[in-house]
Amino acid sequence: DTGVSQDPRHKITKRGQNVTFRCDPISEHNRLYWYRQTLGQGPEFLTYFQNEAQLEKSRLLSDRFSAERPKGSFSTLEIQRTEQGDSAMYLCASSLVGLTYNEQFFGPGTRLTVL
Amino acid sequence: GEDVEQSLFLSVREGDSSVINCTYTDSSSTYLYWYKQEPGAGLQLLTYIFSNMDMKQDQRLTVLLNKKDKHLSLRIADTQTGDSAIYFCAEKENQGGKLIFGQGTELSVKP
Repeated sequence: DTGVSQDPRHKITKRGQNVTFRCDPISEHNRLYWYRQTLGQGPEFLTYFQNEAQLEKSRLLSDRFSAERPKGSFSTLEIQRTEQGDSAMYLCASSLVGLTYNEQFFGPGTRLTVL
Repeated sequence: GEDVEQSLFLSVREGDSSVINCTYTDSSSTYLYWYKQEPGAGLQLLTYIFSNMDMKQDQRLTVLLNKKDKHLSLRIADTQTGDSAIYFCAEKENQGGKLIFGQGTELSVKP
């Protein structure tokens, strides 16, 4: 297993366009998290899944954002009608509930630039 | 709400010790973490500490936890230029396990 992967690594889009990012977690991990990181800040939680169920969404996740994890494996994060303020690094992490310290393993991120 | 704060910058000379400090607000957090982020790379877990511990040592890394003051520190002994990176302190929310991160401390190691 090569860890958490994200695709694409970089995305440049024009304001108003829709974008979709994909995250492939470590294969046996049942939890999957999305975070957003802007320049000079730490990652901020967006949402998480346990298997295919989306259990929590942050207030940061406006109705233009939607996330899915249809079969409890990979996840997608879609942003509709992108705005310049959506420019950020979008990070995905996965973990296995039951590990004593519940380490979250992070992917390399998708850097979104909205022009 | 939960909040985690760190100083933004630290500069040390190679071979010296580095101490990065963090304060947090959620006293119910069971685990606290230190992550490292290098340019263009993802977040890498360096170490963690369980809330009933005061100290944890792992090779060059020493984590100190003062629960009363909600203060966490990371000491890196014999700091090397390869340790230059941004270090994030994070607390884990008990309910869903999301991580609350500080703003990060940029460590610069000068030869």
